[in-house]
Amino acid sequence: TQLLEQSPQFLSIQEGENLTVYCNSSSVFSSLQWYRQEPGEGPVLLVTVVTGGEVKKLKRLTFQFGDARKDSSLHITAAQPGDTGLYLCAGARRYSSASKIIFGSGTRLSIRP
Amino acid sequence: NAGVTQTPKFRVLKTGQSMTLLCAQDMNHEYMYWYRQDPGMGLRLIHYSVGEGTTAKGEVPDGYNVSRLKKQNFLLGLESAAPSQTSVYFCASSIPGPTRSYNEQFFGPGTRLTVL
Repeated sequence: TQLLEQSPQFLSIQEGENLTVYCNSSSVFSSLQWYRQEPGEGPVLLVTVVTGGEVKKLKRLTFQFGDARKDSSLHITAAQPGDTGLYLCAGARRYSSASKIIFGSGTRLSIRP
Repeated sequence: NAGVTQTPKFRVLKTGQSMTLLCAQDMNHEYMYWYRQDPGMGLRLIHYSVGEGTTAKGEVPDGYNVSRLKKQNFLLGLESAAPSQTSVYFCASSIPGPTRSYNEQFFGPGTRLTVL
């Protein structure tokens, strides 16, 4: 069974600090997505990375796909209270069916004002 | 566009009761999914559909049935609810990527179900 392990599970930091969240697997994925979920809502896609070593930036968020396409990281610079939420990574394999998208268990992030 | 909508938002059932959760999408997406989300376990796929009239089992299908009679609707049924089915249920839809290597999914707001 492929697993996507996210770390840390919980993170509470002060506004203005930097943080990194990790998503790791022993399996190779052809693409990896990051979603953010706010309380009482469904996840919303932030980014998809498809190439080993790829780096994508979304304002203060930087996403990286590992060279071997087994891991990914999300770095937030100068965190804001609006960044609070549950961050989920999801991996898919090439030519996989719809059932082969694997979600990590999530990192719950809390930014204190 | 409303995107993906789910009804109801909340429901409380007694053990053994049945119910149907409705998901509707107005984006003309081919793929639709039902997930459950439990604390510390992320999203787990229950059933999915790659087109009207087709359904398939996901990771945790036992105790659930689905139907996709119309492209825009995907129904999730619980025939005899059990306390273990207490969860938050999310519906999602997507179109396949160019190589089917990734599906960018659009999620509904969720249904919070409690089975007593």
